[in-house]
Amino acid sequence: DAGITQSPRYKITETGRQVTLMCHQTWSHSYMFWYRQDLGHGLRLIYYSAAADITDKGEVPDGYVVSRSKTENFPLTLESATRSQTSVYFCASSVAENTEAFFGQGTRLTVV
Amino acid sequence: GQNIDQPTEMTATEGAIVQINCTYQTSGFNGLFWYQQHAGEAPTFLSYNVLDGLEEKGRFSSFLSRSKGYSYLLLKELQMKDSASYLCAALDSNYQLIWGAGTKLIIKP
Repeated sequence: DAGITQSPRYKITETGRQVTLMCHQTWSHSYMFWYRQDLGHGLRLIYYSAAADITDKGEVPDGYVVSRSKTENFPLTLESATRSQTSVYFCASSVAENTEAFFGQGTRLTVV
Repeated sequence: GQNIDQPTEMTATEGAIVQINCTYQTSGFNGLFWYQQHAGEAPTFLSYNVLDGLEEKGRFSSFLSRSKGYSYLLLKELQMKDSASYLCAALDSNYQLIWGAGTKLIIKP
């Protein structure tokens, strides 16, 4: 399917477990982003990537790890999940930093 | 610090016009985005302004004043499907997007 897809759409995990959220885009966009969205907050950038093998921290990177070995994939790993990481996670991609971003459908993660 | 302010919630009537305001304070400025987000869905792009002035796209228009750190999104001929959250985001000097918390727009018949 063309576009940007995230998996899983819903995930429940236990505190302390490692969990990986997947993101795949078919446009060969250079830029990819991971955001979290919580009630009362705007989207907060976790990590972003300008190209394969280039990643940078965003506003709230602690407790998260990313990699980008291929242009089309940008997985996000929670190394040891905590309840404060319960959130909706959005992956996005764009051609450049100042062009529109296309968002995946989101992953609703609950840490119990 | 960097900050985006927009109203938390607004209510308008079907067929009417509504203006959603956004003020921003950022380290440098490389443009302002508006996105629409329906409940439970992903944000979708509406507009991007980098120069002062009004840009019109059908029923939606977006305005920017760089000197005032101010933007608004104008929605005309409101339809029930316009009920959504509207997110304002400013691009700072490092090309990082600073997002507002969003304005929830409720449309009443």
